[in-house]
Amino acid sequence: TQLLEQSPQFLSIQEGENLTVYCNSSSVFSSLQWYRQEPGEGPVLLVTVVTGGEVKKLKRLTFQFGDARKDSSLHITAAQPGDTGLYLCGVNTNAGKSTFGDGTTLTVKP
Amino acid sequence: ETGVTQSPTHLIKTRGQQVTLRCSSQSGHNTVSWYQQALGQGPQFIFQYYREEENGRGNFPPRFSGLQFPNYSSELNVNALELDDSALYLCASSLLLTLGGNSPLHFGNGTRLTVT
Repeated sequence: TQLLEQSPQFLSIQEGENLTVYCNSSSVFSSLQWYRQEPGEGPVLLVTVVTGGEVKKLKRLTFQFGDARKDSSLHITAAQPGDTGLYLCGVNTNAGKSTFGDGTTLTVKP
Repeated sequence: ETGVTQSPTHLIKTRGQQVTLRCSSQSGHNTVSWYQQALGQGPQFIFQYYREEENGRGNFPPRFSGLQFPNYSSELNVNALELDDSALYLCASSLLLTLGGNSPLHFGNGTRLTVT
Protein backbone atom coordinates (compact mmCIF):
# COMPACT_ATOMS: atom_id res chain seq x y z
CA THR A 1 0.00 0.00 0.00
CA GLN A 2 1.34 3.40 -1.00
CA LEU A 3 1.60 6.15 1.58
CA LEU A 4 0.18 8.68 -0.91
CA GLU A 5 -2.52 7.79 -3.42
CA GLN A 6 -3.01 10.20 -6.29
CA SER A 7 -6.04 10.33 -8.57
CA PRO A 8 -6.80 10.30 -11.34
CA GLN A 9 -3.70 8.65 -12.77
CA PHE A 10 -4.28 10.23 -16.21
CA LEU A 11 -6.32 13.26 -17.25
CA SER A 12 -6.74 14.64 -20.75
CA ILE A 13 -8.75 17.83 -21.21
CA GLN A 14 -9.27 20.68 -23.63
CA GLU A 15 -7.75 24.11 -23.15
CA GLY A 16 -10.00 26.30 -21.02
CA GLU A 17 -11.49 23.51 -18.91
CA ASN A 18 -11.19 23.28 -15.13
CA LEU A 19 -9.83 20.25 -13.30
CA THR A 20 -9.05 18.91 -9.85
CA VAL A 21 -6.53 16.26 -8.87
CA TYR A 22 -6.27 14.60 -5.51
CA CYS A 23 -3.66 13.29 -3.09
CA ASN A 24 -4.96 11.05 -0.31
CA SER A 25 -3.51 9.18 2.65
CA SER A 26 -4.58 7.56 5.90
CA SER A 27 -1.62 9.22 7.64
CA VAL A 28 -1.36 12.69 9.12
CA PHE A 29 1.39 14.97 7.86
CA SER A 30 2.96 18.16 9.19
CA SER A 31 3.24 19.49 5.63
CA LEU A 32 2.71 18.41 2.04
CA GLN A 33 4.30 19.55 -1.20
CA TRP A 34 3.05 19.68 -4.79
CA TYR A 35 5.51 19.41 -7.68
CA ARG A 36 5.14 19.57 -11.46
CA GLN A 37 7.44 17.50 -13.66
CA GLU A 38 7.67 18.13 -17.39
CA PRO A 39 9.02 15.50 -19.80
CA GLY A 40 12.82 15.26 -19.65
CA GLU A 41 13.06 17.39 -16.53
CA GLY A 42 13.11 16.96 -12.78
CA PRO A 43 10.17 17.86 -10.51
CA VAL A 44 9.78 21.54 -9.66
CA LEU A 45 8.22 22.58 -6.38
CA LEU A 46 4.93 24.47 -6.76
CA VAL A 47 3.80 24.90 -3.17
CA THR A 48 4.06 23.63 0.41
CA VAL A 49 0.93 23.48 2.54
CA VAL A 50 1.28 23.29 6.29
CA THR A 51 -1.92 24.13 8.17
CA GLY A 52 -5.06 21.97 8.11
CA GLY A 53 -7.68 23.63 5.90
CA GLU A 54 -5.09 25.91 4.32
CA VAL A 55 -5.75 27.21 0.81
CA LYS A 56 -2.93 28.59 -1.33
CA LYS A 57 -3.24 30.13 -4.76
CA LEU A 58 -0.60 30.32 -7.47
CA LYS A 59 -2.11 32.17 -10.43
CA ARG A 60 -4.69 29.70 -11.85
CA LEU A 61 -3.69 26.91 -9.44
CA THR A 62 -5.44 26.49 -6.08
CA PHE A 63 -4.04 24.09 -3.50
CA GLN A 64 -5.95 22.92 -0.44
CA PHE A 65 -4.74 20.92 2.55
CA GLY A 66 -7.40 18.82 4.25
CA ASP A 67 -8.62 19.81 7.71
CA ALA A 68 -7.14 16.62 9.17
CA ARG A 69 -3.89 17.08 7.20
CA LYS A 70 -4.30 13.67 5.54
CA ASP A 71 -5.15 14.78 2.03
CA SER A 72 -4.79 17.59 -0.45
CA SER A 73 -6.21 18.78 -3.74
CA LEU A 74 -4.98 20.84 -6.66
CA HIS A 75 -7.51 22.73 -8.77
CA ILE A 76 -6.57 24.34 -12.07
CA THR A 77 -8.86 26.95 -13.58
CA ALA A 78 -8.97 27.50 -17.35
CA ALA A 79 -6.18 25.00 -18.09
CA GLN A 80 -3.62 25.87 -20.74
CA PRO A 81 -1.30 23.61 -22.80
CA GLY A 82 1.59 24.88 -20.68
CA ASP A 83 0.00 23.16 -17.67
CA THR A 84 0.71 19.78 -19.26
CA GLY A 85 2.92 17.61 -17.05
CA LEU A 86 3.10 15.13 -14.20
CA TYR A 87 1.74 16.51 -10.92
CA LEU A 88 3.28 14.90 -7.87
CA CYS A 89 2.43 15.26 -4.22
CA GLY A 90 5.10 14.55 -1.64
CA VAL A 91 5.64 14.54 2.11
CA ASN A 92 8.71 14.64 4.32
CA THR A 93 9.14 11.54 6.44
CA ASN A 94 11.94 10.63 8.81
CA ALA A 95 15.63 10.88 8.08
CA GLY A 96 15.16 13.69 5.59
CA LYS A 97 13.39 11.38 3.18
CA SER A 98 10.61 12.63 0.91
CA THR A 99 7.92 10.19 -0.19
CA PHE A 100 5.93 10.82 -3.36
CA GLY A 101 2.74 9.57 -4.90
CA ASP A 102 2.80 8.17 -8.43
CA GLY A 103 1.38 11.40 -9.79
CA THR A 104 -1.34 12.54 -12.14
CA THR A 105 -0.33 12.90 -15.79
CA LEU A 106 -2.20 15.91 -17.18
CA THR A 107 -2.51 16.63 -20.89
CA VAL A 108 -4.12 19.89 -21.99
CA LYS A 109 -5.00 19.92 -25.68
CA PRO A 110 -5.08 23.23 -27.57
CA GLU B 1 22.42 30.92 -8.20
CA THR B 2 23.56 27.68 -9.84
CA GLY B 3 20.94 24.94 -9.94
CA VAL B 4 21.35 21.19 -9.57
CA THR B 5 23.19 19.63 -12.49
CA GLN B 6 23.47 15.94 -13.29
CA SER B 7 25.66 13.99 -15.68
CA PRO B 8 25.41 12.20 -17.95
CA THR B 9 21.88 12.91 -19.23
CA HIS B 10 21.51 9.48 -20.81
CA LEU B 11 23.39 6.20 -20.37
CA ILE B 12 23.06 2.69 -21.76
CA LYS B 13 24.65 -0.19 -19.86
CA THR B 14 24.60 -3.97 -20.03
CA ARG B 15 23.29 -6.19 -17.26
CA GLY B 16 26.04 -6.94 -14.74
CA GLN B 17 28.00 -3.76 -15.41
CA GLN B 18 28.63 -0.94 -12.96
CA VAL B 19 27.61 2.71 -13.36
CA THR B 20 28.47 6.02 -11.70
CA LEU B 21 26.14 9.00 -11.88
CA ARG B 22 27.16 12.49 -10.83
CA CYS B 23 25.41 15.47 -9.28
CA SER B 24 26.41 19.02 -8.44
CA SER B 25 24.18 20.51 -5.78
CA GLN B 26 22.68 23.98 -5.78
CA SER B 27 24.95 26.59 -4.22
CA GLY B 28 24.27 27.02 -0.51
CA HIS B 29 22.84 23.53 -0.09
CA ASN B 30 24.56 20.97 2.17
CA THR B 31 22.43 17.87 1.57
CA VAL B 32 22.03 15.66 -1.46
CA SER B 33 19.34 13.02 -1.97
CA TRP B 34 19.05 10.48 -4.74
CA TYR B 35 15.78 9.14 -6.15
CA GLN B 36 14.88 6.46 -8.67
CA GLN B 37 11.87 7.14 -10.89
CA ALA B 38 10.60 4.23 -12.94
CA LEU B 39 8.31 4.91 -15.88
CA GLY B 40 4.81 5.83 -14.70
CA GLN B 41 5.78 6.10 -11.05
CA GLY B 42 6.78 8.77 -8.60
CA PRO B 43 10.37 9.16 -7.38
CA GLN B 44 11.51 6.53 -4.86
CA PHE B 45 14.01 7.58 -2.18
CA ILE B 46 17.38 5.81 -2.44
CA PHE B 47 19.47 7.67 0.15
CA GLN B 48 20.54 11.07 1.43
CA TYR B 49 24.02 12.43 2.17
CA TYR B 50 24.91 15.15 4.66
CA ARG B 51 28.44 16.13 5.68
CA GLU B 52 29.81 13.36 3.46
CA GLU B 53 27.94 10.63 5.34
CA GLU B 54 24.80 8.68 4.56
CA ASN B 55 21.91 10.25 6.45
CA GLY B 56 18.98 7.96 5.72
CA ARG B 57 18.35 5.18 3.22
CA GLY B 58 15.33 3.81 1.42
CA ASN B 59 14.53 0.23 0.51
CA PHE B 60 17.40 -0.33 -1.94
CA PRO B 61 20.02 -3.11 -1.84
CA PRO B 62 23.68 -2.47 -0.89
CA ARG B 63 24.75 -2.53 -4.54
CA PHE B 64 23.38 1.04 -4.58
CA SER B 65 26.01 3.20 -2.90
CA GLY B 66 26.95 6.83 -2.84
CA LEU B 67 29.47 9.47 -1.96
CA GLN B 68 29.31 13.14 -1.05
CA PHE B 69 32.36 15.33 -1.50
CA PRO B 70 33.50 18.38 0.53
CA ASN B 71 32.02 20.71 -2.11
CA TYR B 72 28.64 18.93 -1.53
CA SER B 73 28.63 17.29 -4.96
CA SER B 74 27.69 13.63 -5.00
CA GLU B 75 27.94 10.34 -6.87
CA LEU B 76 25.54 7.42 -7.09
CA ASN B 77 27.15 4.06 -7.85
CA VAL B 78 25.21 0.98 -8.87
CA ASN B 79 26.98 -2.37 -9.13
CA ALA B 80 25.85 -5.55 -10.87
CA LEU B 81 23.20 -3.75 -12.90
CA GLU B 82 19.86 -5.48 -13.41
CA LEU B 83 17.25 -4.86 -16.08
CA ASP B 84 14.90 -3.41 -13.44
CA ASP B 85 17.46 -0.71 -12.67
CA SER B 86 16.40 1.01 -15.89
CA ALA B 87 14.91 4.31 -14.71
CA LEU B 88 15.38 8.05 -14.38
CA TYR B 89 17.78 8.79 -11.52
CA LEU B 90 17.14 12.14 -9.89
CA CYS B 91 19.42 14.08 -7.61
CA ALA B 92 17.94 16.69 -5.28
CA SER B 93 19.76 19.14 -3.05
CA SER B 94 18.46 20.91 0.03
CA LEU B 95 19.61 22.65 3.18
CA LEU B 96 19.45 20.66 6.38
CA LEU B 97 18.21 23.17 8.93
CA THR B 98 19.84 23.53 12.35
CA LEU B 99 16.46 23.30 14.07
CA GLY B 100 15.63 20.13 12.16
CA GLY B 101 13.96 19.41 8.87
CA ASN B 102 15.04 20.21 5.35
CA SER B 103 14.42 23.14 3.06
CA PRO B 104 12.43 22.23 -0.06
CA LEU B 105 14.07 19.87 -2.54
CA HIS B 106 15.61 21.26 -5.72
CA PHE B 107 15.87 18.55 -8.37
CA GLY B 108 18.20 18.16 -11.29
CA ASN B 109 16.89 16.95 -14.64
CA GLY B 110 18.06 13.42 -14.01
CA THR B 111 20.07 10.72 -15.73
CA ARG B 112 18.09 8.31 -17.89
CA LEU B 113 19.71 4.87 -17.39
CA THR B 114 18.83 2.01 -19.70
CA VAL B 115 20.07 -1.49 -18.83
CA THR B 116 19.98 -4.04 -21.65
